[in-house]
Amino acid sequence: AQSVAQPEDQVNVAEGNPLTVKCTYSVSGNPYLFWYVQYPNRGLQFLLKYITGDNLVKGSYGFEAEFNKSQTSFHLKKPSALVSDSALYFCAVRDPSTDSWGKFQFGAGTQVVVTP
Amino acid sequence: KAGVTQTPRYLIKTRGQQVTLSCSPISGHRSVSWYQQTPGQGLQFLFEYFSETQRNKGNFPGRFSGRQFSNSRSEMNVSTLELGDSALYLCASSPKRSSYNEQFFGPGTRLTVL
Repeated sequence: AQSVAQPEDQVNVAEGNPLTVKCTYSVSGNPYLFWYVQYPNRGLQFLLKYITGDNLVKGSYGFEAEFNKSQTSFHLKKPSALVSDSALYFCAVRDPSTDSWGKFQFGAGTQVVVTP
Repeated sequence: KAGVTQTPRYLIKTRGQQVTLSCSPISGHRSVSWYQQTPGQGLQFLFEYFSETQRNKGNFPGRFSGRQFSNSRSEMNVSTLELGDSALYLCASSPKRSSYNEQFFGPGTRLTVL
């Protein structure tokens, strides 16, 4: 079975400060990991993914994430947060060893609030 | 390319009624997945369709059903609506069935059951 956890319901950060959103996962094989962002009354927008290779993945809007196999984590980071980054962030996992091609397992989401 | 479109964007129904939601994937995308999003349960997978066949199904009762047409457009149907079915229903598409492909999400249909 695959699962993903986002331990923080909300992250508060001042504009210009570094932003980190945490994600840990559990899969039986090597994971495929994704980050999405959701703005109010909108669908999810893809930010980045880790499939294989370099543990540091760069994505859209200045976001990056680091895959850590030993800690089973995939934390999302941004060096300098903007007020416009305030949104709901979801981590998602797929276990490629199972027939889950069309199915993401999402975390509960982390609300990011960036204050001016 | 146009993104994933979902219609209608908002729906209000009463208990016991049924509802059909529509999703048009990105042109060329053949895999369509549906998710239910609620404040309490978060994002939950409903089902996935590829080549007009249901390939995966989540843990939802049989009142939730779907189908995919030859042009990859998909519909989902919920019969005998319950108050707990109030949610944002999201459709997502991918070019093909591949674990490393990201899914592209539509804006969702907000269903309110009274």
